[in-house]
Amino acid sequence: AQSVAQPEDQVNVAEGNPLTVKCTYSVSGNPYLFWYVQYPNRGLQFLLKYITGDNLVKGSYGFEAEFNKSQTSFHLKKPSALVSDSALYFCAVRDKDDKIIFGKGTRLHILP
Amino acid sequence: DTGVSQDPRHKITKRGQNVTFRCDPISEHNRLYWYRQTLGQGPEFLTYFQNEAQLEKSRLLSDRFSAERPKGSFSTLEIQRTEQGDSAMYLCASSTQLLPTDTQYFGPGTRLTVL
Repeated sequence: AQSVAQPEDQVNVAEGNPLTVKCTYSVSGNPYLFWYVQYPNRGLQFLLKYITGDNLVKGSYGFEAEFNKSQTSFHLKKPSALVSDSALYFCAVRDKDDKIIFGKGTRLHILP
Repeated sequence: DTGVSQDPRHKITKRGQNVTFRCDPISEHNRLYWYRQTLGQGPEFLTYFQNEAQLEKSRLLSDRFSAERPKGSFSTLEIQRTEQGDSAMYLCASSTQLLPTDTQYFGPGTRLTVL
């Protein structure tokens, strides 16, 4: 079965510093990977996805993610963090029949 | 606003009562999904529709849960005889399914509290 793991429950980063939120995956077949963000009392907002092609995927709000097949990772990155980036981030993989399997989430705190 | 909408946003009910939630997908999307998210967890798949057909149901969806999408547009999720363990955020998502890699877009969710 497809699965993703987010090893960090929480990540703290100073404003202006680069940020990384980690994700590893386990899939059979081609991985279709996603990052979503959730702000308090809100639904999930799509950030970016990897289907095929370039290993570096660019998404919304200046975020990008690097697909690494050998390490089975899909880490989310941003060169310079903003306080407004503070939220809950979910890595996800598409399972058969198109349903999405989510990780447990990583809470990102950007410190002013 | 052409995004996914859900109603109500919040629902407080007493144990044993029935509740119904509504989801309106993005208009051209033919696939509609329901997920449940409990505190500290990622969303978990419940069920999905392609047009009006319900194609898959998770084992999480007990007999007390039923979902419909009668005209292939909006969908309802009903929980009968609610239990405190049903307290969660219920999320709806939709996609076009023109390609197997189409993105699912989520609504704001309905937060259910069962007292």
